[in-house]
Amino acid sequence: ETGVTQSPTHLIKTRGQQVTLRCSSQSGHNTVSWYQQALGQGPQFIFQYYREEENGRGNFPPRFSGLQFPNYSSELNVNALELDDSALYLCASRRDRGTSEQYFGPGTRLTVT
Amino acid sequence: AQSVTQLDSQVPVFEEAPVELRCNYSSSVSVYLFWYVQYPNQGLQLLLKYLSGSTLVKGINGFEAEFNKSQTSFHLRKPSVHISDTAEYFCAVSDPIQGGSEKLVFGKGTKLTVNP
Repeated sequence: ETGVTQSPTHLIKTRGQQVTLRCSSQSGHNTVSWYQQALGQGPQFIFQYYREEENGRGNFPPRFSGLQFPNYSSELNVNALELDDSALYLCASRRDRGTSEQYFGPGTRLTVT
Repeated sequence: AQSVTQLDSQVPVFEEAPVELRCNYSSSVSVYLFWYVQYPNQGLQLLLKYLSGSTLVKGINGFEAEFNKSQTSFHLRKPSVHISDTAEYFCAVSDPIQGGSEKLVFGKGTKLTVNP
């Protein structure tokens, strides 16, 4: 069974640019959540996708957007990058939106300069 | 909305000593509780979870946690730690979102350092 994978591992962007992060969910999982983990903090919920529809959103501005594809992989897009967007972005998948256990990927480290 | 407080930001211990990492959550309603571990430059790995039933939950790597509803606590324990347990530990609580689903609300983490 393949676990959750994320790409890229690291990237560096300039303030004002746009970025796309990718996540492949674990086999058999139809629900994907994205979390932002700033340095020295716990992860914070950005949003969740269930069967290609947004299914809950945290306290993040609209310039954070996402997509889920028919194979349940997902993208996180961030427009107009700000310095405070520098963080580890974690993707987590679960078998179904009603199940409790989430499996996390290794994360993408985004640095905004 | 739920919140989680991890009472210690750093816990240094010697190898083979016992350890307790403390976690309190805000709500008295039914919740699901989790402990995750994060090794340097890695994602989160689930150590254990409480969904219902027995208040003593056993997890991987010899860790266990006790759910205490009256004190709204879910402390993590290990009777004898190893150098390899050095990592950051996060307590999390479930919080409902739409469609009968839930998100995780995390504490700020406790950095456990095991010294030889």
